[in-house]
Amino acid sequence: SQTIHQWPATLVQPVGSPLSLECTVEGTSNPNLYWYRQAAGRGLQLLFYSVGIGQISSEVPQNLSASRPQDRQFILSSKKLLLSDSGFYLCAWSPPVSDTQYFGPGTRLTVL
Amino acid sequence: AQKVTQAQTEISVVEKEDVTLDCVYETRDTTYYLFWYKQPPSGELVFLIRRNSFDEQNEISGRYSWNFQKSTSSFNFTITASQVVDSAVYFCALRIGGTSYGKLTFGQGTILTVHP
Repeated sequence: SQTIHQWPATLVQPVGSPLSLECTVEGTSNPNLYWYRQAAGRGLQLLFYSVGIGQISSEVPQNLSASRPQDRQFILSSKKLLLSDSGFYLCAWSPPVSDTQYFGPGTRLTVL
Repeated sequence: AQKVTQAQTEISVVEKEDVTLDCVYETRDTTYYLFWYKQPPSGELVFLIRRNSFDEQNEISGRYSWNFQKSTSSFNFTITASQVVDSAVYFCALRIGGTSYGKLTFGQGTILTVHP
């Protein structure tokens, strides 16, 4: 069966520091991968998605970036965090021929 | 542009009551998909159901049922005989068709609290 992992689970970072969140999927090949952000008390916003290695589409211009160095690995990064980057970050995957997205456990990021 | 509205911000019920969560969507596409997800306190989104725009059949899964009506652009979710474990935030989401990937447009979510 397929599983999706995210780490770290929680993170507290100072403003201006770098960020690296990692997401990996097991048990499937060539998944579509997604990064979403959920601000406190609000719905989810898609940040990036990827349909293959090295292929990244950005939905919202901001100081975040994403990379997909391997088929089942998706990384969310920032060179300098802002207070507004605080939130709950969720990675999701979908099979290559299906549109149902399955979510990981999330990373709770607090920028102080 | 797509939009999903969950007008009920919070609902509070007592165990064993039935509860309906409303979802209204907007899209100009004729091919689209609707989803419901559950987010328990742990934070992970749990997939509940997917419906495509060409399938208006209602669906029942145990205590859960979904009512899809294209005429009113609604995809409502009913929990029968609610239980404390149903307490969570529930999200309705929409994705337009055409490809197997693409963003989900989420509603703001409904916080459901079931009291013992």
